[in-house]
Amino acid sequence: AQSVTQLGSHVSVSEGALVLLRCNYSSSVPPYLFWYVQYPNQGLQLLLKYTSAATLVKGINGFEAEFKKSETSFHLTKPSAHMSDAAEYFCAVRVYTGKLIFGQGTTLQVKP
Amino acid sequence: KAGVTQTPRYLIKTRGQQVTLSCSPISGHRSVSWYQQTPGQGLQFLFEYFSETQRNKGNFPGRFSGRQFSNSRSEMNVSTLELGDSALYLCASSPERPGNYEQYFGPGTRLTVT
Repeated sequence: AQSVTQLGSHVSVSEGALVLLRCNYSSSVPPYLFWYVQYPNQGLQLLLKYTSAATLVKGINGFEAEFKKSETSFHLTKPSAHMSDAAEYFCAVRVYTGKLIFGQGTTLQVKP
Repeated sequence: KAGVTQTPRYLIKTRGQQVTLSCSPISGHRSVSWYQQTPGQGLQFLFEYFSETQRNKGNFPGRFSGRQFSNSRSEMNVSTLELGDSALYLCASSPERPGNYEQYFGPGTRLTVT
């Protein structure tokens, strides 16, 4: 069965520091992977997607993620954190038509 | 293009009542999925509709149902509400075409059952 594991339910960084949010997946087929961000009292916003075209994927707001098949990972990074990046982040894998499985989420705190 | 819209944004219901939530997808998207989000269980898949047909269903009781109309708008219904149904219900639409499987989410409907 396909699954997603996000390591660390809470990550705290200083403004300007590197952001690294970890995601590992389990999939028996080439996966379609996604990162979403959720701000309080809002829905999920798509940050980026991996669809096998390139292993390094660039998304919105300066985020990027690298697909590593050997490590079954799809970690999300941003070189320099901004206060506005504080939110909850979800990694997801497409299981079959119309269904995503999500990780438990990682709350990113950015300290001034 | 306008994004996914959901109505109402907030609902308060009493145990035993039923509720209907509405979702309008992005224009041109024929796939609509529904998810339940709770602090304890996280994001869980409810069901997915494509061209008015339910293609997939998650592991929820039969009290949860849905439908899709010819204009791709979708509704979900929860009958005989229980306290545990309190959650944020998210609707997502997708092109569901090769290479374009990403889902775009609406703002959600916050359901509180008292």
